[in-house]
Amino acid sequence: SQTIHQWPATLVQPVGSPLSLECTVEGTSNPNLYWYRQAAGRGLQLLFYSVGIGQISSEVPQNLSASRPQDRQFILSSKKLLLSDSGFYLCAWSVDRAQPQHFGDGTRLSIL
Amino acid sequence: GENVEQHPSTLSVQEGDSAVIKCTYSDSASNYFPWYKQELGKRPQLIIDIRSNVGEKKDQRIAVTLNKTAKHFSLHITETQPEDSAVYFCAASIGNQFYFGTGTSLTVIP
Repeated sequence: SQTIHQWPATLVQPVGSPLSLECTVEGTSNPNLYWYRQAAGRGLQLLFYSVGIGQISSEVPQNLSASRPQDRQFILSSKKLLLSDSGFYLCAWSVDRAQPQHFGDGTRLSIL
Repeated sequence: GENVEQHPSTLSVQEGDSAVIKCTYSDSASNYFPWYKQELGKRPQLIIDIRSNVGEKKDQRIAVTLNKTAKHFSLHITETQPEDSAVYFCAASIGNQFYFGTGTSLTVIP
């Protein structure tokens, strides 16, 4: 069966520090991969999605970036975090377009 | 791009009553509409979905209806139970992209 792993679960970072969140999927090949941010009490905002290695689409201009160095690995990065980057970050995968998305457990990021 | 609106933002029902959550979308090209349940601090989990070639789908106490002409879809939960309390999100999908509503916080009062 397929599983998705996301880490770390929680992270506290100072303003201006770098960020690297990692997501891996097991049990499937060539999944679509997604990064979302969820602000407190709000919906899910799509940040990036990828349909293959090295293919990244960005939905919202910001100081975040994403990379897909391997088929089942998706990384969310920032060179310098802002206070507004605080939130709950969720990684998700699906087998193809118009198919159910399956979410990781999320990373709660607090910027001080 | 697609715009998904969800109502109500909060909903309280007595245990055993029904709950209805409604969403509208703007882009007629959307063809897949999942619903997710998210408990506090946990991951969203898919509870039901519907495709644009279907008008209604049911899974035990949960049903979803889709009106393509009006561009709206609804989640219906019957015989609600306290464990149904959570935040529910609707979404609309075009191609590889998903657009989520802002969520409905459902409280089922025992």
